[in-house]
Amino acid sequence: DSGVTQTPKHLITATGQRVTLRCSPRSGDLSVYWYQQSLDQGLQFLIQYYNGEERAKGNILERFSAQQFPDLHSELNLSSLELGDSALYFCASTPSAGGGTDTQYFGPGTRLTVL
Amino acid sequence: AQSVSQHNHHVILSEAASLELGCNYSYGGTVNLFWYVQYPGQHLQLLLKYFSGDPLVKGIKGFEAEFIKSKFSFNLRKPSVQWSDTAEYFCAATHNAGNMLTFGGGTRLMVKP
Repeated sequence: DSGVTQTPKHLITATGQRVTLRCSPRSGDLSVYWYQQSLDQGLQFLIQYYNGEERAKGNILERFSAQQFPDLHSELNLSSLELGDSALYFCASTPSAGGGTDTQYFGPGTRLTVL
Repeated sequence: AQSVSQHNHHVILSEAASLELGCNYSYGGTVNLFWYVQYPGQHLQLLLKYFSGDPLVKGIKGFEAEFIKSKFSFNLRKPSVQWSDTAEYFCAATHNAGNMLTFGGGTRLMVKP
């Protein structure tokens, strides 16, 4: 158990819909990272939040957005869903914002299936 | 652009065989390197990481990796694999400007008992 929790574990929805994925970081960690794991794209970094502020952006689509709340949990919002958005979405957390050397602790992931 | 590549997509070994998984990176500037493992149905876990110093890094569960700067490589090794090592292995990198990981495509290892 990494200490990072994600809900829900599985999500099945239809094209065009909107979903929200939730992540709670390890106790004391201020940074949250979101990653997408799909068969064709592999594991890709989406976005990072640090202490409520967006810190870094990766290959995140405009239809996707995220936020981090005062209690440090984060939500990833996916809208106008397409079949290609079906993937495993991981979040990870670290104590600090950057430096490149922090170990990221990953949650169990949310498996999104878009039908 | 920064990238990480893993040459072997699938590896099948018998128990007690030696393992070496290849990883190459393409990064400008200082790079930090990681190997993560994903056991079936579980989350990603860190095996080992390299920032600086001794290029031979030892990790958990008997794994080690060697950073060879001249070859832009960070190969993962284990002298004798066990059935419980069956998993997917990911090489990843960051640079000192931030923590976001760039992952390789992963290598699925199956160890036959």
